[in-house]
Amino acid sequence: DAGVIQSPRHEVTEMGQEVTLRCKPISGHDYLFWYRQTMMRGLELLIYFNNNVPIDDSGMPEDRFSAKMPNASFSTLKIQPSEPRDSAVYFCASSPDRGWTEAFFGQGTRLTVV
Amino acid sequence: KNQVEQSPQSLIILEGKNCTLQCNYTVSPFSNLRWYKQDTGRGPVSLTIMTFSENTKSNGRYTATLDADTKQSSLHITASQLSDSASYICVVKVGAAGNKLTFGGGTRVLVKP
Repeated sequence: DAGVIQSPRHEVTEMGQEVTLRCKPISGHDYLFWYRQTMMRGLELLIYFNNNVPIDDSGMPEDRFSAKMPNASFSTLKIQPSEPRDSAVYFCASSPDRGWTEAFFGQGTRLTVV
Repeated sequence: KNQVEQSPQSLIILEGKNCTLQCNYTVSPFSNLRWYKQDTGRGPVSLTIMTFSENTKSNGRYTATLDADTKQSSLHITASQLSDSASYICVVKVGAAGNKLTFGGGTRVLVKP
């Protein structure tokens, strides 16, 4: 398995534009997580899914952020409209079990909003 | 409030030397504690996971300890190598029903030749 795959690796966009980040979890993993990492705040959980269903989105900062998981092999994180303070590295991770014994992270998408 | 504090924030060590990173947490109820290594520009990779009953766990030159009574953990790196230069993140999982992870701010380690 290639691991968790995220795209794009880098994204530069202008303030006000819509941004869509993509994630392909490891096949067979029932849990998918979206994280955001900044120098100031470190790693923060935004939302997680279990069997494609959003379970906890309390970490989503604002209504400008939305996440979907239409099937077991694909998820998106959308920011609309984007703002400069959204600049961060966004990670997707997946886990095979409820206990989250292990979580495997993707390479991340570095988002810069100018 | 659930918190995970790591120290030091950063450290520089010479290749071949040992170092110890600290993690203090106030998470309750405790489920497990993980140490992750994050290379620059990469996603975190798990080094160790310890539950309440485990005091120590090793992964090659990395040895993690856990004292559930004092709510402290440490990560010891033996005979450091240049490839150990990375950020090390302590993560504590809140009890099973909550399914919450609380992240420390990380310790940035730089190994110099």
